[in-house]
Amino acid sequence: DGGITQSPKYLFRKEGQNVTLSCEQNLNHDAMYWYRQDPGQGLRLIYYSQIVNDFQKGDIAEGYSVSREKKESFPLTVTSAQKNPTAFYLCASTLGENTEAFFGQGTRLTVV
Amino acid sequence: AQKITQTQPGMFVQEKEAVTLDCTYDTSDPSYGLFWYKQPSSGEMIFLIYQGSYDQQNATEGRYSLNFQKARKSANLVISASQLGDSAMYFCAMRGLNYGGATNKLIFGTGTLLAVQP
Repeated sequence: DGGITQSPKYLFRKEGQNVTLSCEQNLNHDAMYWYRQDPGQGLRLIYYSQIVNDFQKGDIAEGYSVSREKKESFPLTVTSAQKNPTAFYLCASTLGENTEAFFGQGTRLTVV
Repeated sequence: AQKITQTQPGMFVQEKEAVTLDCTYDTSDPSYGLFWYKQPSSGEMIFLIYQGSYDQQNATEGRYSLNFQKARKSANLVISASQLGDSAMYFCAMRGLNYGGATNKLIFGTGTLLAVQP
């Protein structure tokens, strides 16, 4: 079945450590996105990518980094520079500009 | 700059009644798409309905309809005959349509938490 897979579902990180969240899609979608969601709040865009080897900063990119070496994969690294990384992270992809985004199940990151 | 505004943090509705969730937007793109998503407590994002800015008719999908008023820059979601399973967070989203052009963000509002009461 086609879809988007995020892993892991839960992630714990010590302060000062970098951590990478995985996002893989087999939908042959060009565009991929990373969002952060804090409790009771909306989705805020971290990074997005339209094609391989190209990505743009979203509204809250500081402390995060991404890569897009393959069409299917768009990993997000939460660096130690991110002051408050505890949140729910959602990855999404879209086929075209006027089609809906498909989402992964999310990764809940907790800093301990 | 693009912006989505959802002014209702929470709403109650009686089962079997209709409810309208508000969404206003701001964009400089000549063409754009508007989306609504549902997020149950499980956290998954469920696509509900899409409206293109160039569409002449309001979009409908089963019990969901989108009241699109382009001049007022509003795209309200109407849920008819509410069910207990409709209790969830609802998000309005927008993406500029720039066919063949630059990348466009897909941005979301802050959401409305809907509670359906029996």
